[in-house]
Amino acid sequence: NAGVTQTPKFRVLKTGQSMTLLCAQDMNHEYMYWYRQDPGMGLRLIHYSVGEGTTAKGEVPDGYNVSRLKKQNFLLGLESAAPSQTSVYFCASSYLGDRPHEQYFGPGTRLTVT
Amino acid sequence: GENVEQHPSTLSVQEGDSAVIKCTYSDSASNYFPWYKQELGKRPQLIIDIRSNVGEKKDQRIAVTLNKTAKHFSLHITETQPEDSAVYFCAASMIPLEDYGQNFVFGPGTRLSVLP
Repeated sequence: NAGVTQTPKFRVLKTGQSMTLLCAQDMNHEYMYWYRQDPGMGLRLIHYSVGEGTTAKGEVPDGYNVSRLKKQNFLLGLESAAPSQTSVYFCASSYLGDRPHEQYFGPGTRLTVT
Repeated sequence: GENVEQHPSTLSVQEGDSAVIKCTYSDSASNYFPWYKQELGKRPQLIIDIRSNVGEKKDQRIAVTLNKTAKHFSLHITETQPEDSAVYFCAASMIPLEDYGQNFVFGPGTRLSVLP
């Protein structure tokens, strides 16, 4: 099992450029999440998905879009990158169930917008 | 919505001493409180969690206590070792609902340094 993987690991964008971050999990998890991590602010939820074909907004969704066309993949898109989106992005996944479940995180993507 | 505060933001202890990190939450409906450890350049990983029907949970050198009335919970690390040096995040959540997922609200983190 690879667990949760993210592509790419690093990326530098110029203001206004677009890109897509890919998250893949091989644990058959129903839930998937995208977070951003900024110094002193912990992890903040951008968007999440409770199943294939469904997405929902988290705490900081502006400037991002997501899609979950397949259960194992969760894509995060930046249509027009801004310097404020410079951050480390983590994807996570967890089980559907009747009790709280551990969130498994990917290795992260470090994005710099100049 | 839920708001989680965490203190201190940085903590330095001598090897072998104990470390305590405290978190407070605002939503009394939250009933699940995990702690994640993030080593430098690595992904966050779950180290211990507690549910609201339990007041304390221990796993070797790590323990978590929960006070539902005061809405705070704490991470206790005893006999600290250099490999405990990391950033620790607390979080609060509710039991997952099928339509809403399991949304954690994380605290801002505590950077723990264990000095040899």
